[in-house]
Amino acid sequence: GAVVSQHPSRVICKSGTSVKIECRSLDFQATTMFWYRQFPKQSLMLMATSNEGSKATYEQGVEKDKFLINHASLTLSTLTVTSAHPEDSSFYICSARDLKQGHTEAFFGQGTRLTVV
Amino acid sequence: GEDVEQSLFLSVREGDSSVINCTYTDSSSTYLYWYKQEPGAGLQLLTYIFSNMDMKQDQRLTVLLNKKDKHLSLRIADTQTGDSAIYFCAAPATGFQKLVFGTGTRLLVSP
Repeated sequence: GAVVSQHPSRVICKSGTSVKIECRSLDFQATTMFWYRQFPKQSLMLMATSNEGSKATYEQGVEKDKFLINHASLTLSTLTVTSAHPEDSSFYICSARDLKQGHTEAFFGQGTRLTVV
Repeated sequence: GEDVEQSLFLSVREGDSSVINCTYTDSSSTYLYWYKQEPGAGLQLLTYIFSNMDMKQDQRLTVLLNKKDKHLSLRIADTQTGDSAIYFCAAPATGFQKLVFGTGTRLLVSP
């Protein structure tokens, strides 16, 4: 299957700083990428849908100014957590669709464990 | 919108079969997916089934789809300790861009 690489896998930052997470599709072009947040022992919560070359579509309740998404190319989307607070600590996962597959199969990155201290 | 439900926990012995169940609400779902998540990792696509199929088998995995009841199941034959993980079913939301995930079923396989 297609490969999605997410970086970093783990990051610790201080309150008030910003953290950028990268999501790359390594062997396919992803016009659409998705950013999820997962709390311990819970399901994935979709935060936003990122479309190449246009603004991201945020789910209800997700602050777009806090979670900045940039999808500047067909292989890279970034999520920046701005002015991080301890409550932003979570597991963030990206996924991307390979449109050449002809259906809505989504491939996932390895996830990023963010800890804000 | 689409709503996907799963049982939360399943415990089996090594060598037994595991059956993980899932229900969904949107009858127009074209594909339905099963993902596996190991601790601290992302999601790995296990298998998927197209809505015009009733069953799909892939080695130890069998997916059954009952469209009338909007019920999906994943059977793992000869379950191994390495199968211990969280299993998510997923269905496309209206418009097919994004996937809606179930709550996840934590499978524990004991020796």
